[in-house]
Amino acid sequence: EDKVVQSPLSLVVHEGDTVTLNCSYEVTNFRSLLWYKQEKKAPTFLFMLTSSGIEKKSGRLSSILDKKELFSILNITATQTGDSAIYLCAVEGLTQGGSEKLVFGKGTKLTVNP
Amino acid sequence: DTAVSQTPKYLVTQMGNDKSIKCEQNLGHDTMYWYKQDSKKFLKIMFSYNNKELIINETVPNRFSPKSPDKAHLNLHINSLELGDSAVYFCASSRGIWGTDTQYFGPGTRLTVL
Repeated sequence: EDKVVQSPLSLVVHEGDTVTLNCSYEVTNFRSLLWYKQEKKAPTFLFMLTSSGIEKKSGRLSSILDKKELFSILNITATQTGDSAIYLCAVEGLTQGGSEKLVFGKGTKLTVNP
Repeated sequence: DTAVSQTPKYLVTQMGNDKSIKCEQNLGHDTMYWYKQDSKKFLKIMFSYNNKELIINETVPNRFSPKSPDKAHLNLHINSLELGDSAVYFCASSRGIWGTDTQYFGPGTRLTVL
């Protein structure tokens, strides 16, 4: 059965800290891995990763995928209170019939204290 | 032990038809949501219900009408389907209201309008 597991489930840090969020997956016919930031509005798309070892970067956020070990990490450096949110990992795959599927993890709740 | 389920998973229909997508959660959550995922992987909130009451109603054509018969179910009815309605629709639920708790997503319903 397909599954996406995120860890930790919650994390509390102080401003300026660096955090690493983890996402491991078992999804048949993998196509891509997506990261979303969820706060007081709809989840905001952050990254889509399809290739191993290629880091995607956006400001203080970066992410990398390891397709051999089936995981991805999301790094946030110099955290700010505005980074407080739930970070969702989702994995796209294909069903046996060739249709797309998207499997979400349960998210990591990040709290950044001043 | 499925947490959030949607039916059907795939829906292919002709323009002008009326169709419904059903969502059920067995997590005892108070809040449910409908999202539309576009081709760029963005998740757009459409509606949210908390204890059967509509709390979020984004700018969505009034051809889309949500119905929540009880807090475990949130169905989406779409009248006069148009080509642009083709997308993946995700249902989600959470214990608290938006942004306070992790949202658990269903498997998605891929709607194709011909």
